[in-house]
Amino acid sequence: NAGVMQNPRHLVRRRGQEARLRCSPMKGHSHVYWYRQLPEEGLKFMVYLQKENIIDESGMPKERFSAEFPKEGPSILRIQQVVRGDSAAYFCASSPLAGADNEQFFGPGTRLTVL
Amino acid sequence: SQQGEEDPQALSIQEGENATMNCSYKTSINNLQWYRQNSGRGLVHLILIRSNEREKHSGRLRVTLDTSKKSSSLLITASRAADTASYFCATDAGGSRLTFGEGTQLTVNP
Repeated sequence: NAGVMQNPRHLVRRRGQEARLRCSPMKGHSHVYWYRQLPEEGLKFMVYLQKENIIDESGMPKERFSAEFPKEGPSILRIQQVVRGDSAAYFCASSPLAGADNEQFFGPGTRLTVL
Repeated sequence: SQQGEEDPQALSIQEGENATMNCSYKTSINNLQWYRQNSGRGLVHLILIRSNEREKHSGRLRVTLDTSKKSSSLLITASRAADTASYFCATDAGGSRLTFGEGTQLTVNP
């Protein structure tokens, strides 16, 4: 059973370009979470999705950021018109169900560098 | 202050010694989880302790939870150089998001 997959592992973009980060959850997991980690800091929650639904996006900036988890295919975190402050590691996690004992399994992350 | 603050921020010990890291939080929780992160890598889930549990063991790891003080500790016994990593506590207060602390950087010297 493969773990959570993220790609690309490293992504370099110039200011103003778009960044697309992909996450394939573990098999059988229908809940996906995105977190952002700035250097030397802990992870900060961004968004929680189930298939075709955004459940909680309270941690995601209102502008330029969007996320989806379509019926088929991976979850996508999209950052439009990137700025240098978007440089960070973006982690995706998945879980089989929400609620009590919400153990989340993390992917290896995508390290975004904005030049 | 943020939910899930760890202390110390950094800890350096010799191989074979025990390492203790603490975590404090502010709101009521369903459970508290500890994760390890090696430099530049993803997070590895170590242990989950529910709000109605006081202590849990897993191999060389021992986690305690004191909900009256809103604090938890992670003890790693007989540490090894391979334990060198950042350790994060994360709280689940319901609603499914995890709130992470800033982490403790543990260095185990051979």
